Amino acid sequence: EAGVTQFPSHSVIEKGQTVTLRCDPISGHDNLYWYRRVMGKEIKFLLHFVKESKQDESGMPNNRFLAERTGGTYSTLKVQPAELEDSGVYFCASSQDGRETYNSPLHFGNGTRLTVT
Amino acid sequence: KNEVEQSPQNLTAQEGEFITINCSYSVGISALHWLQQHPGGGIVSLFMLSSGKKKHGRLIATINIQEKHSSLHITASHPRDSAVYICAVAMGNEKLTFGTGTRLTIIP
Repeated sequence: EAGVTQFPSHSVIEKGQTVTLRCDPISGHDNLYWYRRVMGKEIKFLLHFVKESKQDESGMPNNRFLAERTGGTYSTLKVQPAELEDSGVYFCASSQDGRETYNSPLHFGNGTRLTVT
Repeated sequence: KNEVEQSPQNLTAQEGEFITINCSYSVGISALHWLQQHPGGGIVSLFMLSSGKKKHGRLIATINIQEKHSSLHITASHPRDSAVYICAVAMGNEKLTFGTGTRLTIIP
């Protein structure tokens, strides 16, 4: 079984540019989550998709961040325009059935390290 | 104050030692996760538990719901166990709240 894959693994962009991160969850997993760790801080929740619908986007920092999951398969997270404080590692995770959290372990991707200069 | 507190923040031990990492949380939860991240690597889910105790190889995770506390134990520690161990809780919804992690270094 292929795991959660994220692309790219690293991205270095200049302030004001646009970057799009991609996450391919495990096939058949309805739940897809985006998380972010900024330097020196704990990992923070960004948003949660159930299939193609945004279940919870309370962690999205501002309207420069746009997440989509068309067709309920892979997801993209676009940052436009990027700011210095957006630098960090963006993790994606997926799980099969979100109705019973205790029965649905999370599978994480390796993350995308974003550096905004 | 973070809703999820881990201790210690850093831990260095000799190979073979018994390791304990603690996690305390301040709210009711539906599940607690223990995660592992090796340097430069992705995050691996070690355990997900809502009560009692789970064991996998040399790793043991326990949780006390009444005391809002969980521990991760590693028996016969090995240098390959060196990683950051992260506690995360789900509070009745799917959103996880993470601790800051414990950086474990096992010296040969």
